[in-house]
Amino acid sequence: DAMVIQNPRYQVTQFGKPVTLSCSQTLNHNVMYWYQQKSSQAPKLLFHYYDKDFNNEADTPDNFQSRRPNTSFCFLDIRSPGLGDAAMYLCATSRVAGGVDTQYFGPGTRLTVL
Amino acid sequence: QQPVQSPQAVILREGEDAVINCSSSKALYSVHWYRQKHGEAPIFLMILLKGGEQKGHDKISASFNEKKQQSSLYLTASQLSYSGTYFCGTVYSGGGADGLTFGKGTHLIIQP
Repeated sequence: DAMVIQNPRYQVTQFGKPVTLSCSQTLNHNVMYWYQQKSSQAPKLLFHYYDKDFNNEADTPDNFQSRRPNTSFCFLDIRSPGLGDAAMYLCATSRVAGGVDTQYFGPGTRLTVL
Repeated sequence: QQPVQSPQAVILREGEDAVINCSSSKALYSVHWYRQKHGEAPIFLMILLKGGEQKGHDKISASFNEKKQQSSLYLTASQLSYSGTYFCGTVYSGGGADGLTFGKGTHLIIQP
């Protein structure tokens, strides 16, 4: 039973060409997160939504945007991907906010920038 | 500010025990432990909340010392399936943030 689904699993884009990554969840969780994980590094939080409230991390580049049209879906838009944006992008959800609940991760989308 | 994990890597024989530590310079509200295998998503192991607690799940357990701002993950009688990178993710007290700040990870290799 899939819980957090990410599409596509692998995405190849060209330098500067906009790309959108998709995340959907069947858990009906209020909170959705986007993390970036570069090779051999820890996941790094980009932003999160509590319901429709958007929370951006201070050091997330403006090049990264997000949309959450409804409870189930969340999108990560990279407006002008650079070579340094090549990474695994992980979506996660939790039932409640406040750091008291488990975050469930999706399988990730591996982004390659040519 | 990232929590500090130690050791960076450890190699064990199957059946041996391991301890992985996670410490923070900021007051912690909760500590989340994950295991990640290469190319896969992090898998949740356990969460420990402010107030100091200890949890156990089969042969994997963890403690959270609120006063020392540190948590430890204990792997007992390790199995081959325990291999992977272990991350602690922290939520800081009063930080207003819900996302996790992960340590750099501890690479665990279990040999037959």
